[in-house]
Amino acid sequence: EPEVTQTPSHQVTQMGQEVILRCVPISNHLYFYWYRQILGQKVEFLVSFYNNEISEKSEIFDDQFSVERPDGSNFTLKIRSTKLEDSAMYFCASSFTGGGTGELFFGEGSRLTVL
Amino acid sequence: AQTVTQSQPEMSVQEAETVTLSCTYDTSESDYYLFWYKQPPSRQMILVIRQEAYKQQNATENRFSVNFQKAAKSFSLKISDSQLGDAAMYFCAYYPGTYKYIFGTGTRLKVLA
Repeated sequence: EPEVTQTPSHQVTQMGQEVILRCVPISNHLYFYWYRQILGQKVEFLVSFYNNEISEKSEIFDDQFSVERPDGSNFTLKIRSTKLEDSAMYFCASSFTGGGTGELFFGEGSRLTVL
Repeated sequence: AQTVTQSQPEMSVQEAETVTLSCTYDTSESDYYLFWYKQPPSRQMILVIRQEAYKQQNATENRFSVNFQKAAKSFSLKISDSQLGDAAMYFCAYYPGTYKYIFGTGTRLKVLA
């Protein structure tokens, strides 16, 4: 069964360093998302991406964050200069259709720890 | 503000019994979608059940059913005949039609043998 894969599963970095989290969505999916979950808190929307551009982004997704789909298969989230508060589990998701009719398929998450 | 609230951080149920997980949401929209997602330990979230707000009939998927009360903005999940494999984190989510899903904080369900 096709699935969304994320790498790395866990990354530890120093504050101020750049981090790239990678995702391989399901191959025929068209909509891509990043979410994050700080330990014990709610799953927060970061950004959605369709047709090679951002569809929607949250207030969290400031200039420190960027997304890219460089080669038609990978979907990356870059954090340019990490802060302590960026420590969280980051989830990638994809769907074939947009909107509520499209089931979101999630990856297992990448845990980011910023020291 | 559009928010989703799950007031039960943790629930327990005996195997074969029934449990209900609560979810409330806040919105001014009239048309939207609601979801329950399940996240087993160390596994990805998977869709359990979906409800369209314009449909009055409650969605059902095998042992999983919802009680959707639109006026009360309530969307609870009932799991019947609970099985050990139902143990997971359950997230309620709301989709208002803006390419983003809004999730609650989750309820951890323990199933006791």
